[in-house]
Amino acid sequence: GAGVSQSPSNKVTEKGKDVELRCDPISGHTALYWYRQSLGQGLEFLIYFQGNSAPDKSGLPSDRFSAERTGGSVSTLTIQRTQQEDSAVYLCASSLIGIAYEQYFGPGTRLTVT
Amino acid sequence: AQTVTQSQPEMSVQEAETVTLSCTYDTSESNYYLFWYKQPPSRQMILVIRQEAYKQQNATENRFSVNFQKAAKSFSLKISDSQLGDTAMYFCAFMRYSGGGADGLTFGKGTHLIIQP
Repeated sequence: GAGVSQSPSNKVTEKGKDVELRCDPISGHTALYWYRQSLGQGLEFLIYFQGNSAPDKSGLPSDRFSAERTGGSVSTLTIQRTQQEDSAVYLCASSLIGIAYEQYFGPGTRLTVT
Repeated sequence: AQTVTQSQPEMSVQEAETVTLSCTYDTSESNYYLFWYKQPPSRQMILVIRQEAYKQQNATENRFSVNFQKAAKSFSLKISDSQLGDTAMYFCAFMRYSGGGADGLTFGKGTHLIIQP
């Protein structure tokens, strides 16, 4: 079956612009996670959605970062007023709840802020 | 808060050898899982193996097995009969869970494993 998909695969943007990154989870997966992978910071958890519950935003690095999940499926991560330190690979993962909580990852979006 | 430490930034072994990657973690939680993920140059994160903390038996998946020492908070990965396709970054990860769901993964910094022909 189809895995987690993310778009775009690469995004180059100018400092100060807003960007939107999209994640399509595996059909039926109720939990969705965003992570950031950078050379300096490694892999960091950003935000977690589960069903209709309020998202866990504890990992978002600043208020320039936000995310939403519409209809319990597709999620969009938005970064406003991008900075050079936002350059990283943004990974999305989804999982079922209660099935060992295994997270399945998408291929990521490489964001470059110039 | 949890921490995960991988003390080997890079390892290199010959094909067909056995290699062990180290991971230690620190937590006060009772309910958690531990995972090893593989990330080849393609960037796709692939789950290698998982271990439930409440299980004493070490998990195995074909050539991959773990040595889980709960009291020592140690979770090493052993790869037997290593293959060229095992070349990748390997990440150890911790996840807390409860009846309401699971937290995001906490990752170690990774070990770059190189299998030499």
